[in-house]
Amino acid sequence: SQTIHQWPATLVQPVGSPLSLECTVEGTSNPNLYWYRQAAGRGLQLLFYSVGIGQISSEVPQNLSASRPQDRQFILSSKKLLLSDSGFYLCAWNEGEEYGYTFGSGTRLTVV
Amino acid sequence: AQRVTQAQTEISVVEKEDVTLDCVYETRDTTYYLFWYKQPPSGELVFLIRRNSFDEQNEISGRYSWNFQKSTSSFNFTITASQVVDSAVYFCALYAGGYQKVTFGTGTKLQVIP
Repeated sequence: SQTIHQWPATLVQPVGSPLSLECTVEGTSNPNLYWYRQAAGRGLQLLFYSVGIGQISSEVPQNLSASRPQDRQFILSSKKLLLSDSGFYLCAWNEGEEYGYTFGSGTRLTVV
Repeated sequence: AQRVTQAQTEISVVEKEDVTLDCVYETRDTTYYLFWYKQPPSGELVFLIRRNSFDEQNEISGRYSWNFQKSTSSFNFTITASQVVDSAVYFCALYAGGYQKVTFGTGTKLQVIP
């Protein structure tokens, strides 16, 4: 069966520090991968998605970037965090949008 | 363009009451998919159901049931005999194909009071 792993679960980082969140999927090949952010108001915002290795699409211009160095690995990064980057980050995968998403357990990021 | 509206921001019910969460969607596409997700306090979003636009049959899964009505563009979710473990934020979502991505509603926070 397929599983998705996301870490760390919580992170407190100072403003201006770098960020690296990692997500891996097991049990499937060539999944679509996604990074979502959920700010305090509960809404879900799509940040990045990838349909293959090295293919990244950005939905919202911001202080973040994403990379997909391996088929089942998706990384969210920032060179310098801003206070506004605080939030709950969720990785997700699917085999097509019509199937919905399977989400990871999320990373709660607090920038101080 | 596609849109999902969950007009109920927060709902509180007493345990064992039935509760319906509303979801109204907008799309011009004739083929589309609707979803419900549950986000408990732990944060992880859990997939509950997927429905395509050609299947209007209502679905029941234990205490959960879904009423899909194309005539009113609604996909409502009912929890029968609610329990404290049902306390969560529930998201309705829509995917209408092509280059569009899944659109989520803003969520309904359900609190079940013991």
